[in-house]
Amino acid sequence: EIVLTQSPGTLSLSPGERATLSCRASQSVSSNYLAWYQQKPGQAPRLLIFGASNRATDIPDRFIGSGSGTDFTLFISRLEPEDFAVYFCHQYVTSSGTFGQGTKLE
Amino acid sequence: QKQLIQSGPEVKKPGTSVKVSCKASGFTFTTSGIHWVRQARGQRLEWIGWIVVGTGSTKYAQKFQDRITITRDMSTSTAYLDLSSLRYEDTAVYYCVADFWSGWFDPWGQGSLVTVSS
Repeated sequence: EIVLTQSPGTLSLSPGERATLSCRASQSVSSNYLAWYQQKPGQAPRLLIFGASNRATDIPDRFIGSGSGTDFTLFISRLEPEDFAVYFCHQYVTSSGTFGQGTKLE
Repeated sequence: QKQLIQSGPEVKKPGTSVKVSCKASGFTFTTSGIHWVRQARGQRLEWIGWIVVGTGSTKYAQKFQDRITITRDMSTSTAYLDLSSLRYEDTAVYYCVADFWSGWFDPWGQGSLVTVSS
C-alpha cells in the first residue's frame, strides 16, 4: 500500500500570500496518478487537481499542482479568503487508492 | 450537473447494521463506478470499497471484507453501502464518490454521518 504523508500539518498564512503544500509517497506513484482535494468544514471534498498537475473544471488558475514519482506539491499562488480549508492528496494507482492525512490552511 | 445525494444521519447500536444510500443524477449511472470512503473525526479518509455499476462487480478493502456489502439499483440510479456488526470505531462520515474510469474521485456525495452508540 502506498502511504502518503503531507506536510506541514498546519499552515498559517494570510490572504494574498502564497501557500506550498507537500505530499510525499512511500513509493513511486506511477503515471502521476495523484489528485488534490479541498475540504471545508461540514462539506464534502472537492476535486482540485488530477494527474498531479491538471486543474479540474472551474478551479481557478491560482491552484497549481506539480511533481512526479514520490514528491508532489500543491501551490496556491495568491490566497483568497475562501481558500482557507483542509487539503489532502490522493493516489489512485489502484482502484482502492490511499489518502494523505491532510494539511490545514489557516 | 453530476450529483450524488446521500441518505441522512443514522444512530446505531453496536452489533447492528446500517444501510446508507447514494442517489445519482446528471450522469449515466450505468457507465460509472461508485466508491465508498469514510472519514472518522480527526482521521484520514479511508477507502471502503466500490462497485462497477454496469456489471455489479465489487471490490472491498480487506479490513471490511466480512461485514460489508455494496449494491446498486439501476432502476433508481442508487448505490447502497451495507455495513454490519457495527463497532464504536465505525462512527464516521461515509461518502459515496463517482468514478468515470479516470481514477480520481469526482463528484462526492454530501456525506452521511453514522454514529455507533449504546
